[in-house]
Amino acid sequence: KAGVTQTPRYLIKTRGQQVTLSCSPISGHRSVSWYQQTPGQGLQFLFEYFSETQRNKGNFPGRFSGRQFSNSRSEMNVSTLELGDSALYLCASSLGDYTVETQYFGPGTRLLVL
Amino acid sequence: GEDVEQSLFLSVREGDSSVINCTYTDSSSTYLYWYKQEPGAGLQLLTYIFSNMDMKQDQRLTVLLNKKDKHLSLRIADTQTGDSAIYFCAENTGTASKLTFGTGTRLQVTL
Repeated sequence: KAGVTQTPRYLIKTRGQQVTLSCSPISGHRSVSWYQQTPGQGLQFLFEYFSETQRNKGNFPGRFSGRQFSNSRSEMNVSTLELGDSALYLCASSLGDYTVETQYFGPGTRLLVL
Repeated sequence: GEDVEQSLFLSVREGDSSVINCTYTDSSSTYLYWYKQEPGAGLQLLTYIFSNMDMKQDQRLTVLLNKKDKHLSLRIADTQTGDSAIYFCAENTGTASKLTFGTGTRLQVTL
């Protein structure tokens, strides 16, 4: 089975721009969660999508948004980029049926905001 | 509240055992996980333990859970240089696909 894939792997943007990151889950997984990893704040939960609906949300401003498509692929968008948005963005997929909620992570997208 | 703590750094000699500790505060956590992150990579799931278990063994990995003290540990037997990485413990509260991660422990394996 193919793992979780994320595109692009690296991205450089400037302040004020917006960015869209993509995540393809493991086949059969219906839940996709997004996390931000920074040296200062560590790993923080952004949001989770299940069946095209946001099911959980972390404590991030509205500039961070996401969506999920009918094939379970997910995108996250960050508008009006700030320097502090530079981070590794990780997505994770799981079955989403609340049995053993084992999340499998992709390699991440490293975003640098200049 | 949700707050997961780990020591920042651990150095061991190759062939010795490593023990990485984690303290969590959310007593309603259903599952507790250990993830490994190598430089420039994503998170690799190592193992997990259900909250009603005390111990789980998986090849070189042993997870111990003390629910009373909210303490979780990961023991790596016969530590190898390839085990050098950052190890994160994480918890979820069962009804949410949201993981709360510890700060991570950097394991350095020396020859």
